[in-house]
Amino acid sequence: QLQLQESGPGLVKPSETLSLICTVSGGSISSSSHFWGWIRQPPGKGLEWIGSIFYSGSTSYNPSLKSRVTISVDTSKNQFSLKLNSVTAADTAVYYCARQEVTVTKPFDYWGQGTVVTVSS
Amino acid sequence: QSVLTQPPSVSGAPGQRVTISCTGSSSNIGSGYDVHWYQQLPGTAPKLLIYGNNNRPSGVPDRFSGSRSGTSASLAITGLQAEDEADYYCQSYDNSLSAWVFGGGTKLTIL
Repeated sequence: QLQLQESGPGLVKPSETLSLICTVSGGSISSSSHFWGWIRQPPGKGLEWIGSIFYSGSTSYNPSLKSRVTISVDTSKNQFSLKLNSVTAADTAVYYCARQEVTVTKPFDYWGQGTVVTVSS
Repeated sequence: QSVLTQPPSVSGAPGQRVTISCTGSSSNIGSGYDVHWYQQLPGTAPKLLIYGNNNRPSGVPDRFSGSRSGTSASLAITGLQAEDEADYYCQSYDNSLSAWVFGGGTKLTIL
């Protein structure tokens, strides 16, 4: 059974960089059939796609966050990571990692449990 | 403001039927991109409920069904049960944004 697990600091100071890792188990991140993505949910609000990566390192980002986001992959560790720089309180959210088949029409079929990140001094 | 528009809330009594709408535009649902639905129980991660407009993953009861027409989609839940109380989100792809987009979510309350 595929599992995804987010990890990283729960508290980040304003203007600093948020860094999270998603560890994939029960399957290979080097699958040619899947993207690996990050999605966030601010408190009491809806879901927002942040960006996705293919095992080769090819990325796609939400235009609204593109200038601040970097997603990378480490196939040797079966992990992918998220960096969001210059954070503000508006970046406070639950951050999820998820898997998606390599077609724009496919859903996010496996999700991590999510990790809470608070931006505060 | 979300690219896909959902009603903030719906409600129904046990055993009744409710529908949740998801309205998009010509650059997403209207372009023929599939719509997917997720159920988010309180304090948990979203779970895929309906994929490809009207398909249910293994384990999802047939009380849940989806449809798509034009620039909109709908999720129908029949025989409402207390355990259905959750937030529901639609999702598709938008070719003008080159981004996967979600609806704002609909809170289902069981009366």
